[in-house]
Amino acid sequence: ETGVTQTPRHLVMGMTNKKSLKCEQHLGHNAMYWYKQSAKKPLELMFVYNFKEQTENNSVPSRFSPECPNSSHLFLHLHTLQPEDSALYLCASSVDSSRGTEAFFGQGTRLTVV
Amino acid sequence: AQKVTQAQTEISVVEKEDVTLDCVYETRDTTYYLFWYKQPPSGELVFLIRRNSFDEQNEISGRYSWNFQKSTSSFNFTITASQVVDSAVYFCALSNSGYALNFGKGTSLLVTP
Repeated sequence: ETGVTQTPRHLVMGMTNKKSLKCEQHLGHNAMYWYKQSAKKPLELMFVYNFKEQTENNSVPSRFSPECPNSSHLFLHLHTLQPEDSALYLCASSVDSSRGTEAFFGQGTRLTVV
Repeated sequence: AQKVTQAQTEISVVEKEDVTLDCVYETRDTTYYLFWYKQPPSGELVFLIRRNSFDEQNEISGRYSWNFQKSTSSFNFTITASQVVDSAVYFCALSNSGYALNFGKGTSLLVTP
């Protein structure tokens, strides 16, 4: 069983749809992250949760709404997305969000907005 | 400002060749951490190594080695005797006062038989 599991692996949604991405970690970590990976661009940090509290929102549009009900689960709720939001969305976890802590990543959700 | 530059977008080598992936970083902090991750076609980023700014010793792990040079702000990664399974995108990342990882754009490595 992988340490960080993301579902679904692939998602195609229309611009008026509402969907959610799910991330679950089995590593006993206290920090969880959402990253966006677009073609030809560096990974972009979107949100950071540390002990279930959101500690960073990297100027992400409100059409992306994170939820962290507990330290093991992280969701990204999506609504009224744009085609440019198509990307690989990666979830990660780490022991905590302190400097220098290595993050462990899931396999990502490949999102296509049509 | 902090920044990670991986100038090599794509590298192609033949199996058994040695290959070095370059990483240059910028930071004003004296305490920081550098990372390398591997992203195979399956998508997940696999952690390879972490170095802190006070430890400039080079590290070797099997066929992998890392050369950290603070004087040139570089943290280069060498794969010796490359194999087809090494084909992946490799990311260098920096963690400093901002805490979260700042990634470079990645270098796509293709190893052909």
